Parts: sequence; structure tokens; C-alpha cells
Amino acid sequence: NAGVTQTPKFRVLKTGQSMTLLCAQDMNHEYMYWYRQDPGMGLRLIHYSVGEGTTAKGEVPDGYNVSRLKKQNFLLGLESAAPSQTSVYFCASSPPGQGEETQYFGPGTRLLVL
Amino acid sequence: GNSVTQMEGPVTLSEEAFLTINCTYTATGYPSLFWYVQYPGEGLQLLLKATKADDKGSNKGFEATYRKETTSFHLEKGSVQVSDSAVYFCALSNDYKLSFGAGTTVTVRA
Repeated sequence: NAGVTQTPKFRVLKTGQSMTLLCAQDMNHEYMYWYRQDPGMGLRLIHYSVGEGTTAKGEVPDGYNVSRLKKQNFLLGLESAAPSQTSVYFCASSPPGQGEETQYFGPGTRLLVL
Repeated sequence: GNSVTQMEGPVTLSEEAFLTINCTYTATGYPSLFWYVQYPGEGLQLLLKATKADDKGSNKGFEATYRKETTSFHLEKGSVQVSDSAVYFCALSNDYKLSFGAGTTVTVRA
């Protein structure tokens, strides 16, 4: 099992450009999450999904959109990138019936917006 | 709302020293509590958890006890190793979502 994988690992964008971050998991997990990690602030939840075709807003959703067309994939989109979105982005998933319990994290995507 | 406050770092220790990282929380209801660890260049991994008051979570020599009366979940290890150098996050769960503390960077010197 690869677990949770994220693509790309690193990306540089100019202000106003768009991009999509891909998260994939091969553990048949129902729940998936996108977080951003900023210095001194821990991880903050951007959006999450409790199943295929469903998404919901987290703590800091503005400027981001998500889609969960397939159970194993969770996409995070930035329509018009801003320097404030420079961060490290982590995807996570958790098994059915354990949405509050153990989350399995990907290795992260480092995004720099100039 | 829910929030987690943990000891600010960085913390620098010598090998075999005792480590404590304080964590307190504010929550409605009865959350589960977690410690996650992030090694350099990697994602977060679950270190230990406790799901109800007075539960003790333990793993890899680390321990933490769920203290409802003091709303705390302090992480301890009796003898740290260089390989324990990492960032440690305290977290609580609420309705499918985790709320994290800011993280504490721990460096262990040989």
C-alpha cells in the first residue's frame, strides 16, 4: 500500500495563477481532509469530505475549492493564487467509522506564491 | 469552540533527558485527544491517543494521560533519543475534524 500520496511535492506560482493539488489514498477510507500548515499556527483545516461526492468547509476555506469525484481522490484547487496561500498543504484520510480517530497523512505539498 | 494550547518551543535536550510537553484544551462535550509527530520532511504520524477521561495513551516510550479535571493531555518521555527530534502536535477531535495546537519543536543532542 502506498497510503496517502500527494502531487506535486513542490510548486511555485505567480499571483493570479491557478493550480490543483491531488491527493490519493489506496486504503478505501471514507473521510478525507485538506490542511495547511503555517509556522506557529499548527495545521488548519481547509475542506473535508465524508464520502464520495460530498465536501464541506473547514476552518479556512476562502480561496480554495475541492472535489471528491472518486472515493480515492480528493482535489484541492486554487483558482487565483495569492501570496497568503504560500504554505505547506497536507492531505489526510481516515477509515469508516473513525472520522474522529486516527488520520493518515500524506507527505505534503510545498507551495510558494510569488 | 474547540481549541488546543501547547507549550511553545523550541525545546533542546540532551540524549537520555526527560521530556515534557504541556497541552491543554477547550472543548464542548467529550473529545478524543491525540499526539501527532512530524519528523523532518515528512507528514504527521499518530503517536498516541486517548478517548476518554483517565485513559493513558502510550507508544515508543511516550505517554500522555487524559485529565478532564485540568483539561490537559501532557506528553512525557523518560529518556529521549536523538531520533525523537521532531515537531509534536497535540490535537483534539470533534465531529470528524481535528483541531491542532501550534506544535512544539524538539531537538535532542547526542
